[in-house]
This record gives sequence, structure tokens and C-alpha cells, in this order.
Amino acid sequence: AQRVTQPEKLLSVFKGAPVELKCNYSYSGSPELFWYVQYSRQRLQLLLRHISRESIKGFTADLNKGETSFHLKKPFAQEEDSAMYYCALSGRGMNTGFQKLVFGTGTRLLVSP
Amino acid sequence: NAGVMQNPRHLVRRRGQEARLRCSPMKGHSHVYWYRQLPEEGLKFMVYLQKENIIDESGMPKERFSAEFPKEGPSILRIQQVVRGDSAAYFCASSPLSGQGGWNNEQFFGPGTRLTVL
Repeated sequence: AQRVTQPEKLLSVFKGAPVELKCNYSYSGSPELFWYVQYSRQRLQLLLRHISRESIKGFTADLNKGETSFHLKKPFAQEEDSAMYYCALSGRGMNTGFQKLVFGTGTRLLVSP
Repeated sequence: NAGVMQNPRHLVRRRGQEARLRCSPMKGHSHVYWYRQLPEEGLKFMVYLQKENIIDESGMPKERFSAEFPKEGPSILRIQQVVRGDSAAYFCASSPLSGQGGWNNEQFFGPGTRLTVL
């Protein structure tokens, strides 16, 4: 069964503190992993995906197949990082591209001054 | 490009009425996905459509729910005889025509339609 688990509903940190949003997944094949972010009053948008291996807004995430995890990290949180973060996976489609996304329940990150 | 458009943004229906949710994908996108988010839960996949075709409807409830993406016009998610349990946020996403492999098929989300059933 495909499943994404985000154990924390709320993560509250002070500005400048390190942040780690946890994500574990269950998938029988080779999934594609993503982090989506939803800022206040904005639509859901892609933050980063594991295949691109890039850092976006200071965030990074490494796919750990042994631990089936894809935790999102940032060394120094900023107030503007406050948002709802969703981890998601997609099964790799050979010729149809990305198919359905399976989302976790989300973690609300609150960065206080 | 205005992005994925959904309307209405808020919809109130009484039990037994029909709800029609519309989604206009981004210009040039021919793949549409519908997701539902119940309170305190993550987004759950409902259906994946291409123009005039339903590709994957494994997440759709068996009764009362239907979706279409006609050759012209927006994609429609239709819920007949709504019940209180249908109250949720319904999100549409679109992606461009898939190429070989399709690694660039990022899904772009609309703002959602919040359905309230009284």
C-alpha cells in the first residue's frame, strides 16, 4: 500500500533555529518524493522533489531508501517559512509521467521571531 | 498564464442537492487531477483525466461522483445528492502533455473549492 506519514501536526521554532520536518513513506516500488508548501492564503505549490537534488529557499531533502524517509531540513528558519508543508509520493509511470500523488496529512511550521 | 482556475471558491449545498465544481487547467495543459481534502487530513487522489478520457478513477467513490474533461471547456467534478460527509476542500491540479518519461510533469494546483453541505 502507498502511504505517507508526517508524524507532527505542528512544529514551532524560533527564527534562526534549525528545522526538520519528518516524512516517512511506504511504497513497494521506486517512488518519486516531493515536498509541497502552502503559504497563508496561497495555493499549494511544489517546493522540491528528490530527483532534482536541489536546495529551494534553503530547504533540502534527502531520500533515504533504507529508512524510507524524506525529511525536509533547513539550517536556519526564517519567519517567512511559516506555512503548511505536505510530503507526497508518486509512483513512476513509464510513459504517462507523474500519476496520482499520495499526500501526508501535513505539518504546520510556525517560525516565531 | 493565470494558473489553474477553480470555481466556485466556496459552494454551499443542502443535503440531496447536486454540486458542480469546475476546473480550468493552465494553458497548454491537457492532464487534470482532482483531489479531496477532508478536515484534518491530507489531500486524497480522486481521479486523473486527459481530454475526453478518464485515465484513473481509483479514488472516486463508486456512487454519486463523476468527472469529465471535455474537448472544450473546463473539467467538471459532479457530486449528486450530496451528504454532509461530502463537505471538504476539492483541489484540481493540471500538468502538461507528457513526454517520454515525463519527469517534468509537475502538477500545478488550483486554489480549491470549499464545499459545505448543510
